[in-house]
Amino acid sequence: AAGVIQSPRHLIKEKRETATLKCYPIPRHDTVYWYQQGPGQDPQFLISFYEKMQSDKGSIPDRFSAQQFSDYHSELNMSSLELGDSALYFCASSSKGAGGTEAFFGQGTRLTVV
Amino acid sequence: AQKVTQAQTEISVVEKEDVTLDCVYETRDTTYYLFWYKQPPSGELVFLIRRNSFDEQNEISGRYSWNFQKSTSSFNFTITASQVVDSAVYFCALSVDYGGSQGNLIFGKGTKLSVKP
Repeated sequence: AAGVIQSPRHLIKEKRETATLKCYPIPRHDTVYWYQQGPGQDPQFLISFYEKMQSDKGSIPDRFSAQQFSDYHSELNMSSLELGDSALYFCASSSKGAGGTEAFFGQGTRLTVV
Repeated sequence: AQKVTQAQTEISVVEKEDVTLDCVYETRDTTYYLFWYKQPPSGELVFLIRRNSFDEQNEISGRYSWNFQKSTSSFNFTITASQVVDSAVYFCALSVDYGGSQGNLIFGKGTKLSVKP
């Protein structure tokens, strides 16, 4: 079965650079979520999109932005990177239809800021 | 506000032992979902189970079983006859139902399970 695809899997950036993470949800899933997991921490919800519109916002820094495109893929844009942005970034997708499904997570993008 | 507490930070057992991972949640909403996710050393988050607030039936899936008790706001997870491959961090999570959207999850801090041969 198709899963959530994230790219790249690993990314190394320098401080103050920008990064773009991509997420391709499971086909026919209408909702995408972004999470940030710092080392030894639990995942923290950043932002979500339903049918290409922002649906909920968590602890996403102002330096980050995200969008969902017409083909339902999503991108998380991160600017002015800081050392503290080093983390595992997960994308997840779910469907609201028929009572909704649980969120299925991608394998994550490991971002290292040096 | 919603909160998930996993009091056990780390558990170490020997293969074939049974182990229970505790999860206590807080929410004032009457409709919510509870989840368990597994995060092996490779890093991905693997969905294990979902329970909605109206279904207190316990569930068994192979060596895994879950005990949901609304009276104590607990959703505990038991692994029977543990195996080395069960070594991972296990997260309990809560989602309040917003029109079918179940991916806005509040995670507990996780319990790191180490199963030794």
